[in-house]
Order: sequence, then C-alpha cells, then structure tokens
Amino acid sequence: AQKITQTQPGMFVQEKEAVTLDCTYDTSDPSYGLFWYKQPSSGEMIFLIYQGSYDQQNATEGRYSLNFQKARKSANLVISASQLGDSAMYFCAMNYGNKLVFGAGTILRVKS
Amino acid sequence: GAVVSQHPSRVICKSGTSVKIECRSLDFQATTMFWYRQFPKKSLMLMATSNEGSKATYEQGVEKDKFLINHASLTLSTLTVTSAHPEDSSFYICSASQGGYQPQHFGDGTRLSIL
Repeated sequence: AQKITQTQPGMFVQEKEAVTLDCTYDTSDPSYGLFWYKQPSSGEMIFLIYQGSYDQQNATEGRYSLNFQKARKSANLVISASQLGDSAMYFCAMNYGNKLVFGAGTILRVKS
Repeated sequence: GAVVSQHPSRVICKSGTSVKIECRSLDFQATTMFWYRQFPKKSLMLMATSNEGSKATYEQGVEKDKFLINHASLTLSTLTVTSAHPEDSSFYICSASQGGYQPQHFGDGTRLSIL
C-alpha cells in the first residue's frame, strides 16, 4: 500500500533563508507521481510542484525544488529565500491510480 | 488556468438540516472529482471519487447515505450532507483532475458548522 511520511510536525525558518521539508514514501508500483501542496490558514490547497518516478531531473518551480532520491524513497521540498507568505501547512502526496494519498503535513513558520 | 470554484465557503446551520456544497471546474473539463474531509491541523481524508455520469466510489467507512455525491457534468460535482449533525462539522474540500498523472486542483474548501 502507498504511504507518505512527513516526520516534521513543525518547522521554523528565518526569512530569506532556505528550508527543507522532508517527505518519504513507500510504494511497490514502479510508476508513480509525487506532489507537494501548500495550505495557508485560509484553507485552500495550492499545488506547488510535481515529480514523476521516471523523471531524470529534479523538478523545480521558481523558489521551489524537489530533491528526489529514488533509492532512498524520499522527495523533499526545498524552498529557497523564504518569505513571510510561505508560512503555511505543507503536504506531500503520492498518487495511486487517480487518487492521492497525503502525508500528515508540516507546519512552516517563517520568522522576520 | 486550472481553477476550481467551491461554494459556499462557509455554512452554519442547525442540526437536521441538509447542506449542499458545489464544486466547479471553471476552465477545464474534470474527468474526475474528489471530495475530502479535513479536521483541524490534520491531513486530508479522501471521502469519495466521482466520475461524470456514474455513481461515486466511496472510501471505506464513509456513509453513502449521509454524504450524497452527484457528478452531473464534466464541470460540476455536488456533495450533500444529509440530516447534518454536530459531528459532521468539518472542513470539506473538493478537487478536480483531467485524469492520469495530472495534478489535482483544489477548491477553496467549505467550513461546515452544525449547531
């Protein structure tokens, strides 16, 4: 069965610094996709970045990059140059079929 | 692109009332829509998957008669919480996908409070 583990319940980062949010996954499927979503306190889920299991290069989207280590089954999100607006809950997710399984989430707080 | 609209954003109503929540994909056709429930500071829990024109598939433990889902078109799915009780109070959020490995795009969610 697919499983996503986020071991950091909460993280603090100083404004303008980089932060890494951890995500490990477990699946027996050779083909899968990994996603990161941001959920501010207002509740909406914002899609950030996607990594396919066969992608050769790590995904990047602006200040977001995904450190994909397939052998270790990890898909950590790196946010560079943190901003106050990055304070939110972050979820790692993996697809199984057309569904998503989510991790428990990490609350990120950016300090000024 | 890939905008999903969810309405209403907040509902407060009395116990016993039925509440309907709409989820619309505004600029794409959604092959599949999903309904999630989220408790405070917790992860999203998938309730059901709906495909246009067919019956929804519910996850284990989700009461089909309590949470009625209709997916009448490629752009609209509705969730009706029937005879709602205080324990149904939660944050409900929908998502829509064009299928395959396309990312799910989420609505802004509905905060349901049953008094």
